[in-house]
Amino acid sequence: SQQGEEDPQALSIQEGENATMNCSYKTSINNLQWYRQNSGRGLVHLILIRSNEREKHSGRLRVTLDTSKKSSSLLITASRAADTASYFCATDRMNTGFQKLVFGTGTRLLVSP
Amino acid sequence: DGGITQSPKYLFRKEGQNVTLSCEQNLNHDAMYWYRQDPGQGLRLIYYSQIVNDFQKGDIAEGYSVSREKKESFPLTVTSAQKNPTAFYLCASSIGQTPTYEQYFGPGTRLTVT
Repeated sequence: SQQGEEDPQALSIQEGENATMNCSYKTSINNLQWYRQNSGRGLVHLILIRSNEREKHSGRLRVTLDTSKKSSSLLITASRAADTASYFCATDRMNTGFQKLVFGTGTRLLVSP
Repeated sequence: DGGITQSPKYLFRKEGQNVTLSCEQNLNHDAMYWYRQDPGQGLRLIYYSQIVNDFQKGDIAEGYSVSREKKESFPLTVTSAQKNPTAFYLCASSIGQTPTYEQYFGPGTRLTVT
C-alpha cells in the first residue's frame, strides 16, 4: 500500500522558475526521503529529513516537513532543463522489525528551456 | 568506480519461462533490495536482504525468488507463477537498515514477457 502520495502528479514550468512538489503520508514516520528518477533510469537520493527537523537545504533544494499535517514539500529553485525528471518521496514503515521505505507515486516535472 | 550494476538492461522472455535478473554492488553494503515499478507508479518492494544468507519477503513477493549467497550479489528470479511479470525492476542497496540510510539504486532492468 502507498504511504506517500505526491501532488501534483505532473508539473510543467519554464527554466528559471521554482518548482514545488508536495508529499502527504498517513502514519507516523521517523524519516522522510526524496529521490529523483530520470526517465528509464534508477533513482538517485536527494535529501533525507528526520522527524525532528522542520527544514533542510541542499544546493537549490529545500525540503520542509510538517509532522502535524503529515506532509512534506520539495522546492527546487531556479529550475533548469536538466531538472526534468520524476520526484518521489519515501517514508519509513515498520515491517516485522525492519523499517522499510515506502515510495509514493511521484511527481513528473518538465522544465522547458 | 563504486556502484550497483544490473544486467541486462532489456530482457525479453516468453510466457512460462523463468528468468533471472542480476544485481551486483561493490559498495560493501549489507542491505539489498528488489523493487518493481509499473508505468506511472511508485516502487513496490519485492524482497530485501539485511545480511548474507538471509532475505525477507516484501509487499509483492509472490511469483519471485531471491538468493543472497554473497554480500555483493542479490539475483532475482521471476518465475512462471508471476502473473504480470512485465515491468521495470530496480535493485538497491544501503549501508544498513533503512530508513536511517539512503538507498543506492542500479540502472534497472526492463523485463518484457509475451
